Amino acid sequence: DIQMTQSPSTLSASVGDRVTITCRASQSISTWLAWYQQKPGKAPKLLIYKASSLQSGVPSRFSGSGSGTEFTLTISSLQPDDFATYYCQQYGSYSQSTFGQGTNLEIK
Amino acid sequence: EVQLVESGGGLVQPGRSLRLSCAASGFTFDNYAMHWVRQVPGKGLQWVSTISWNSAKITYADSVKGRFTIFRDNAKNSLNLQMNSLRAEDTALYYCTRGLDGYDPVFDYWGQGTLVTVSS
Repeated sequence: DIQMTQSPSTLSASVGDRVTITCRASQSISTWLAWYQQKPGKAPKLLIYKASSLQSGVPSRFSGSGSGTEFTLTISSLQPDDFATYYCQQYGSYSQSTFGQGTNLEIK
Repeated sequence: EVQLVESGGGLVQPGRSLRLSCAASGFTFDNYAMHWVRQVPGKGLQWVSTISWNSAKITYADSVKGRFTIFRDNAKNSLNLQMNSLRAEDTALYYCTRGLDGYDPVFDYWGQGTLVTVSS
């Protein structure tokens, strides 16, 4: 299976900060990567797919980049609503799609 | 409005079976692949299974292969997951999800989840 490793596991930031979360794949997945946001007690929400495509309705302060084995999710200016847990997911090997362990973005 | 409503979760003993269902509405169900994703409470996400729009293509995570069966009824707008030989490690919140495009397991809509607890 392809392993996905996110860093950091926890990130403390303030409203207005620019933040970046990294996701590394154990082997190349081209751009077959998605990002999700999850708030406590809620289902995840799709933010980005195919590494850099913004899902409809998602604010433009969210962006994704990368290819191969290294990917980033960037939030250009943190808003109060953005404090949540973020997961990356590879679907390059869609017979066995896998998620990262999550990054908890908390208020500093 | 797209809605996915899961049901069928509960407490079950190891080795027993359970069937989960998902009622879909607000979109043309037979235009989309559908998926199950699970999450141990307080932990990460795990993709479980995918079924194409016409049931011609089905994929399972290795951890459930041979024990779980995904199937759908397009006439009833329903997705199901038959879970046999349940293990403690299958304990999780199970989400029904819609595929964004084609067969790719990218999930644009999620249900609220149904909790499965496997314990004696």
